[in-house]
Amino acid sequence: DTEVTQTPKHLVMGMTNKKSLKCEQHMGHRAMYWYKQKAKKPPELMFVYSYEKLSINESVPSRFSPECPNSSLLNLHLHALQPEDSALYLCASSLLTGQVNSPLHFGNGTRLTVT
Amino acid sequence: DAKTTQPPSMDCAEGRAANLPCNHSTISGNEYVYWYRQIHSQGPQYIIHGLKNNETNEMASLIITEDRKSSTLILPHATLRDTAVYYCIVRAYYNDYKLSFGAGTTVTVRA
Repeated sequence: DTEVTQTPKHLVMGMTNKKSLKCEQHMGHRAMYWYKQKAKKPPELMFVYSYEKLSINESVPSRFSPECPNSSLLNLHLHALQPEDSALYLCASSLLTGQVNSPLHFGNGTRLTVT
Repeated sequence: DAKTTQPPSMDCAEGRAANLPCNHSTISGNEYVYWYRQIHSQGPQYIIHGLKNNETNEMASLIITEDRKSSTLILPHATLRDTAVYYCIVRAYYNDYKLSFGAGTTVTVRA
C-alpha cells in the first residue's frame, strides 16, 4: 500500500471533456509532484509544488492545469486533451524540495484514456 | 544531471541474491545515487539511496564503488514479488527537485 492516494484509478474522457485528477497525502510532506508515464517508458516530470506554490513547470501544455489547494492535496485539471495524452499520471510527495536527501513517495497513478 | 547506464534486462532465481549494476561514470561529488522500482501497474517505489558509503535497509543494500562511478543494488533473497523495472537515478543537489528516470532494468525473478 502507498501513502499517496490517487483518484480515480482509471479515467476515460473525450477530447471535449473537462476532468480532474486528485492526489492526497497525509505524511506532512510539503513538496508534491505530477509525473506522466507513457506505456513502456519511464516517468517524466510535469510539475513541482513547494509549500503549495508552483515551483516547476516542465513546459507542459496549458490543457493540463495543476492546483494545490493545501499541503495535503494536489489536483490536475484536464481540458481539451488529445489521444496522445493517454498515459499513467503519477503523483508523488517528498518532505521538502531543496533536500536532495528527501526521497519521493509515489502513488499508484491514474490511468487516463482520451478518446 | 549525470547519466546512468543499466542493462536492459536480467533474470535471477528465486531465493538467490540479485545484483543489479549501474554505471554513472560522470557523477559529481554532490550527486546522490537513488534506486526505485516499479512493479507492473503500480507507481515507482523508493528502495534506497546513498552518497558514497554503502547503505543497507530492510529492502536492499547499495554498494557504491570508491570512485563513485558505479554502484550495485543487492536484493539479498529475491522473491517472485521482486519482479519489476529497477531504476538507478543520479540526483543532483543543485537540481534536487528533479528525480529524472532513465530506461531502467527489467528484472524477472524465476521460480
